[in-house]
Amino acid sequence: EAQVTQNPRYLITVTGKKLTVTCSQNMNHEYMSWYRQDPGLGLRQIYYSMNVEVTDKGDVPEGYKVSRKEKRNFPLILESPSPNQTSLYFCASSFTGTGTEAFFGQGTRLTVV
Amino acid sequence: SQQGEEDPQALSIQEGENATMNCSYKTSINNLQWYRQNSGRGLVHLILIRSNEREKHSGRLRVTLDTSKKSSSLLITASRAADTASYFCATGSFMDTGRRALTFGSGTRLQVQP
Repeated sequence: EAQVTQNPRYLITVTGKKLTVTCSQNMNHEYMSWYRQDPGLGLRQIYYSMNVEVTDKGDVPEGYKVSRKEKRNFPLILESPSPNQTSLYFCASSFTGTGTEAFFGQGTRLTVV
Repeated sequence: SQQGEEDPQALSIQEGENATMNCSYKTSINNLQWYRQNSGRGLVHLILIRSNEREKHSGRLRVTLDTSKKSSSLLITASRAADTASYFCATGSFMDTGRRALTFGSGTRLQVQP
């Protein structure tokens, strides 16, 4: 089954404690991206990757890091989380980034206290 | 930055009625996509319409695109309670920086009353 898998689904952490949200896709997609969703603001892109070892900033990259060492995985790293990073996070993948449908993970609800 | 803006923000209808949602965007696009999101879950792709297309159908969905007005509409016919969800338009564009991105609006919350 074609899917994007994110883990964990829910996470509560404390300010400053580094965390990683994993994302894996099984469709051999080149393009992967991370979004955060906040009430009234829709989805905003954090980082994206057009291929292995190729990553770039989206609209709201501050406070986040990503890596793309393998085609299937695209982890999101928060080195020092802060309360304003409390949000619902989605990983997505697609063949081209814009010209084909994107597949989304089930989301990670992160709370930073 | 948000490219697509959906209208209305919320819509409540009775089962069997049609639901129409609109999306406006600001810059030129290669395509426009519609997604559905059940509460707190991941988005699911519904339909993609390219910039050279004016109308597209998929089951009970009908999407129109007017590039001169920079707007699109999603029509769900004969709605069902299971259609209750948030609906987002997303515009795909190539930016001057070389960045390719889908930019989402803030969505329309559709409630279909049984």
